[in-house]
Amino acid sequence: DAKTTQPPSMDCAEGRAANLPCNHSTISGNEYVYWYRQIHSQGPQYIIHGLKNNETNEMASLIITEDRKSSTLILPHATLRDTAVYYCIVRVAEGDKLIFGTGTRLQVFP
Amino acid sequence: ETGVTQTPRHLVMGMTNKKSLKCEQHLGHNAMYWYKQSAKKPLELMFVYNFKEQTENNSVPSRFSPECPNSSHLFLHLHTLQPEDSALYLCASSHTASGAYNEQFFGPGTRLTVL
Repeated sequence: DAKTTQPPSMDCAEGRAANLPCNHSTISGNEYVYWYRQIHSQGPQYIIHGLKNNETNEMASLIITEDRKSSTLILPHATLRDTAVYYCIVRVAEGDKLIFGTGTRLQVFP
Repeated sequence: ETGVTQTPRHLVMGMTNKKSLKCEQHLGHNAMYWYKQSAKKPLELMFVYNFKEQTENNSVPSRFSPECPNSSHLFLHLHTLQPEDSALYLCASSHTASGAYNEQFFGPGTRLTVL
């Protein structure tokens, strides 16, 4: 079973920041938070991951709360091409499994 | 050549047919994975191969038979499937099957329909 909970859907206006929340209240100390997204009819795409510190790359920023029980993926300037299902996954460092939940369907509108 | 390729992209087969799905990765990775994505269900991990050795079989029925001849190629052999096996089958690869910096790269998937 997925160890995360996410809202089933969100909307965001094009050009605005999209903030996607994820709860992982049972996360263990050696588990990382990963984010993937899946655009319709394509395979999932890796976005970002983190352990404790906030992370940023060319796609997004990941904000992890101090107690690590929740996190937020931020797409700073959403575009129509960011419309996708976003998956938040917790995973041990040495593990080989990505256990996908149902994710958040983000709809970016003009 | 894109990172992870899958062929065919679409497949329609009868329950008595035998077919194979092919995955190839051009990323120099050592781990490969098969996932199944049924309609309105989360992705389900099926098999994991690490350095050509199967390390995970997630209680997959024997009518699905994986094969990993080398680190770049992964096959999924299908026989006597059921209509409920209709799904999107996704292949992924990663540097190895463990480790924190171990992002998985996915192929575009094969859309399988079993009649």
